[in-house]
Amino acid sequence: SYVLTQTPSVSLAPGQTARITCGENNIGFETVHWYQQKPGQAPVLVVYDDRHRPSGVPERFSGSTSGGTATLTISTVEAGDEADYYCQAWDSSSDHPVVFGGGTKLTVL
Amino acid sequence: QVHLVESGGGLVKPGGSLRLSCTASGFIFRDYYMSWIRQAPGKGLEWVSYISSGGDTIFYADSVRGRFTISRVNANNSLYLQMNSLRAEDTAVYYCARGSLTSVWYSFDIWGQGTMATVSS
Repeated sequence: SYVLTQTPSVSLAPGQTARITCGENNIGFETVHWYQQKPGQAPVLVVYDDRHRPSGVPERFSGSTSGGTATLTISTVEAGDEADYYCQAWDSSSDHPVVFGGGTKLTVL
Repeated sequence: QVHLVESGGGLVKPGGSLRLSCTASGFIFRDYYMSWIRQAPGKGLEWVSYISSGGDTIFYADSVRGRFTISRVNANNSLYLQMNSLRAEDTAVYYCARGSLTSVWYSFDIWGQGTMATVSS
């Protein structure tokens, strides 16, 4: 079954570009989705199916995949982007198909 | 407005039971697959269970299989999670989440605010 691995934390200054990665142990997971969770709030979907943004999500948020690693890129980072970010995938070969990564805490210095 | 509202959390002793409810509004509930996802204090997201739109396909995480039961009543726009034989490690905020019909591969586009379940003696 899938295991999604995320770097625990990323820190950068406002205006920089954040790249948050999600590595998968089996080559060829279908797609990855990304959620943003701010303290005390429920998660919010920011990217689905690797690279698509739901309505209302700023264009600064983008997703991509390459060689078994998915990346959430946040350009021109703002203080309001400080949050935990989780990747999620669906393992169609498993009877427990929904898998979340461990999360990455983005700190804006 | 699309909303999910969870209820039913509380404090329960180990070995006890809780029944969580999630009431949906603002969308055609019977068209959507749903999940329960939990988050222990200070920890990451952990998927708990999935149910298809018609209720005929159900999945559970290994950590809860045999103890938790997911169900839905589409006529009442409601999702449920019956939690039995509760353990301290089940202590968490429990979120209900709506499956995205736009996504090809099962993402969750609407989340409730969560209900806290605490298992402690």
